[in-house]
Amino acid sequence: GAGVSQTPSNKVTEKGKYVELRCDPISGHTALYWYRQSLGQGPEFLIYFQGTGAADDSGLPNDRFFAVRPEGSVSTLKIQRTERGDSAVYLCASSSSGGPNYGYTFGSGTRLTVV
Amino acid sequence: AQRVTQPEKLLSVFKGAPVELKCNYSYSGSPELFWYVQYSRQRLQLLLRHISRESIKGFTADLNKGETSFHLKKPFAQEEDSAMYYCALSTNAGKSTFGDGTTLTVKP
Repeated sequence: GAGVSQTPSNKVTEKGKYVELRCDPISGHTALYWYRQSLGQGPEFLIYFQGTGAADDSGLPNDRFFAVRPEGSVSTLKIQRTERGDSAVYLCASSSSGGPNYGYTFGSGTRLTVV
Repeated sequence: AQRVTQPEKLLSVFKGAPVELKCNYSYSGSPELFWYVQYSRQRLQLLLRHISRESIKGFTADLNKGETSFHLKKPFAQEEDSAMYYCALSTNAGKSTFGDGTTLTVKP
């Protein structure tokens, strides 16, 4: 596609529910990244995919968070038993070089609100 | 561990004045540094990369390894430069570390 697409743009869910956030990267970009941005802070790394595999998932805060990229393009971030502290903007980015050292192209984000 | 610090949350200058947004980092290896910008109601986008030593929209940034800084500068600020600016550090390990951002307001 023309850019990184994230859906939904907004998601309101009740505490304890399960949510899925989708990212469709730029066609041909092998590297895909998930970040989380809380109010007043910069993006915080969650997980990085190189192709289908998670190359680094050290930023996932706990085992309620999981992400997949089964065919090496679209990725889904899954959050189980959501908590109010999970409320944030979840950003997806992709990169053509296979690494971050040439910069990211970001999506517009999914604003998750847990009530 | 890597860390990026942007000491100014808010910065306000008048149109035509010089502007400098500060960024300091800590990292034991050789980092790649970036500036990202987010204009109102737009997505976060790459402004410039240290690796390419480029000037974008009149902005430049010089990596000072001695002071571990990567300040963003523009000699004559324009109203359309008003935005949120993030400094970021990347390593070959894959992930990037972002500062908490500086909101720049350019007054007419």
